[in-house]
Amino acid sequence: EAGVAQSPRYKIIEKRQSVAFWCNPISGHATLYWYQQILGQGPKLLIQFQNNGVVDDSQLPKDRFSAERLKGVDSTLKIQPAKLEDSAVYLCASSLTVGTSGYEQYFGPGTRLTVT
Amino acid sequence: AQKITQTQPGMFVQEKEAVTLDCTYDTSDPSYGLFWYKQPSSGEMIFLIYQGSYDQQNATEGRYSLNFQKARKSANLVISASQLGDSAMYFCAMRNNNAGNMLTFGGGTRLMVKP
Repeated sequence: EAGVAQSPRYKIIEKRQSVAFWCNPISGHATLYWYQQILGQGPKLLIQFQNNGVVDDSQLPKDRFSAERLKGVDSTLKIQPAKLEDSAVYLCASSLTVGTSGYEQYFGPGTRLTVT
Repeated sequence: AQKITQTQPGMFVQEKEAVTLDCTYDTSDPSYGLFWYKQPSSGEMIFLIYQGSYDQQNATEGRYSLNFQKARKSANLVISASQLGDSAMYFCAMRNNNAGNMLTFGGGTRLMVKP
């Protein structure tokens, strides 16, 4: 089965510019997550979708970050305007559904963003 | 609030030996799950093993086993017979079963396997 797809893999932008990342989850996975991983740290959840609804976006900096999953499949994460501290790897993950069993999250390869 | 602590920033192990990566957690919820992920230099997070808070036995998956000590709130990963390909970052994560499927990650441990 195909894994989680993300594009682009790398992006370099100047501060104050905007950028968008795309994620296609594993087929059939209802739940989609975006994480930010700053160099040397563990991933931090930005937003979680269940189908096309937001479950948790408490750690999303909403003044500059936005995300959508309009048809309950693909998702885009946008940053506008970017700051230097947004330099990180942005990981997309998906899982079958929310539940109490394993339901491990499967991660994509990530998008490495460098803001100069 | 949940917290995951990995106290070993870096570890060396000789090829073919076993190694234990430490993870302690803090939560007030009785129902939770613990995960270990491997992140090689390519950047992708690879799921290794899962332990539920109510599971009676320690989880095992091939060369990976999870030493779950609930009273001590620890969930250490044991890798047996280390291989050169095991060199990577390893992250411990916790999910609160009463708060969706959100994972809270520790800071990671870099494992380096010596030939």
